[in-house]
Amino acid sequence: DAGVIQSPRHEVTEMGQEVTLRCKPISGHNSLFWYRQTMMRGLELLIYFNNNVPIDDSGMPEDRFSAKMPNASFSTLKIQPSEPRDSAVYFCASNQGAGNQPQHFGDGTRLSIL
Amino acid sequence: EDQVTQSPEALRLQEGESSSLNCSYTVSGLRGLFWYRQDPGKGPEFLFTLYSAGEEKEKERLKATLTKKESFLHITAPKPEDSATYLCAVQVDTGRRALTFGSGTRLQVQP
Repeated sequence: DAGVIQSPRHEVTEMGQEVTLRCKPISGHNSLFWYRQTMMRGLELLIYFNNNVPIDDSGMPEDRFSAKMPNASFSTLKIQPSEPRDSAVYFCASNQGAGNQPQHFGDGTRLSIL
Repeated sequence: EDQVTQSPEALRLQEGESSSLNCSYTVSGLRGLFWYRQDPGKGPEFLFTLYSAGEEKEKERLKATLTKKESFLHITAPKPEDSATYLCAVQVDTGRRALTFGSGTRLQVQP
C-alpha cells in the first residue's frame, strides 16, 4: 500500500516568495495532520483536518500560513510571504477512525528560505 | 501543560549491548503513548502504541512498556541497523487528536 505522499521533497526559495506544500494521505484515512520539525522545537502540530474539515489550527504560527483540504485525497499548506524562520522540515500524517489510532507520516518537505 | 521528556538525548552502544530509552510524561489524561523511529531524511515510522499502565508491546529486538509516569523502549542485542532517532509522543484525553512529541533519543549502534 502507498504511504503518505508529500511533494516536493525539497524546496529552496527566496524570502517573500509563496510556497505551497502538498500531501496525499493514505487512502481511506479520514484525518490529516501537518507538522513542522526543527532542531530547536522538535515536531509540532500546525493543523489537522477530520473528514476534510479543519478542526484545530492552533499551531499555525501566523496568518502567513494557510492550509486547505479540498477533498479526501489532497491537502496543501501554503506560506505567503515566506520568511527565513520558516525554514524547517514539514511533515504530513494521516490516520483513520478513532482518535488514538497511530498517525502515519510522509517523508516530509525540507524547506529552505533564503 | 502536557510535557514529554526523553532521555538520554544520545546513546552509543556496541552491537549486542542491550539498553533502554526513557520517555517521561506529564499529561492531564493519557489516551495513548506512541513510539516512532526516524531515520535521517525520512518521516517518523510508527512502532508501538501503548494505552494503559502495565501494557507491553514487542517487535523483533524492541520492547515497549508503560507506567503511569513513563515509558521505556528496551532494545535487546541491538544491531547497527537499529541506529536511528527514537521519538515518543502522547495523545491526551481531551478530544484533541494532536500528538505531543518528545525531543527524541539518537541511538547509534556500532559494529
